[in-house]
Amino acid sequence: EAGVVQSPRYKIIEKKQPVAFWCNPISGHNTLYWYRQNLGQGPELLIRYENEEAVDDSQLPKDRFSAERLKGVDSTLKIQPAELGDSAVYLCASSQGTPMAEQFFGPGTRLTVL
Amino acid sequence: GEDVEQSLFLSVREGDSSVINCTYTDSSSTYLYWYKQEPGAGLQLLTYIFSNMDMKQDQRLTVLLNKKDKHLSLRIADTQTGDSAIYFCAEGRDSSYKLIFGSGTRLLVRP
Repeated sequence: EAGVVQSPRYKIIEKKQPVAFWCNPISGHNTLYWYRQNLGQGPELLIRYENEEAVDDSQLPKDRFSAERLKGVDSTLKIQPAELGDSAVYLCASSQGTPMAEQFFGPGTRLTVL
Repeated sequence: GEDVEQSLFLSVREGDSSVINCTYTDSSSTYLYWYKQEPGAGLQLLTYIFSNMDMKQDQRLTVLLNKKDKHLSLRIADTQTGDSAIYFCAEGRDSSYKLIFGSGTRLLVRP
């Protein structure tokens, strides 16, 4: 069974440009998470979806970040415009629909903002 | 407040045991986790322990939990070069999906 798929794996952009990340969760997982992992730190939750509904977006900087999960499967995370401090690895994870269900992580997208 | 702390780095010789330590602050944590992250990869769940347990063993891995001191440790027996990675501890509560991660401990296994 395929794991969580993310693309692109790497992205280099100049500041003020937009960028988007894509995630395909494990089939049947209705809970999807986006995390940001800064260099030398652990992941921090940005947003959690239950099916197509964003149920926890309290840590998402809404002035420049947006996310969607149309049809409750794939998800995209967008930054517009990007700032230097957005350089990080953006991780997507998915799990079955209980709080303590194991979260399966994708390989992440490494974003560099110049 | 929510805070999980780990030492930054650990170096051991191949075949020795490794012990990675973690402290947390949230006494309402229900589950405590250990994740492994290899270069260029996402996090992989290694093991977890319920907060009402004080020890869990899974093959070469032993997790010890001191709830009074809010201290968690991961012991890896017979450490191999393939164990070289960053290890994260994380805490979670049964009422919440949110995991709070530490900053990670980089384990280097010397041949």
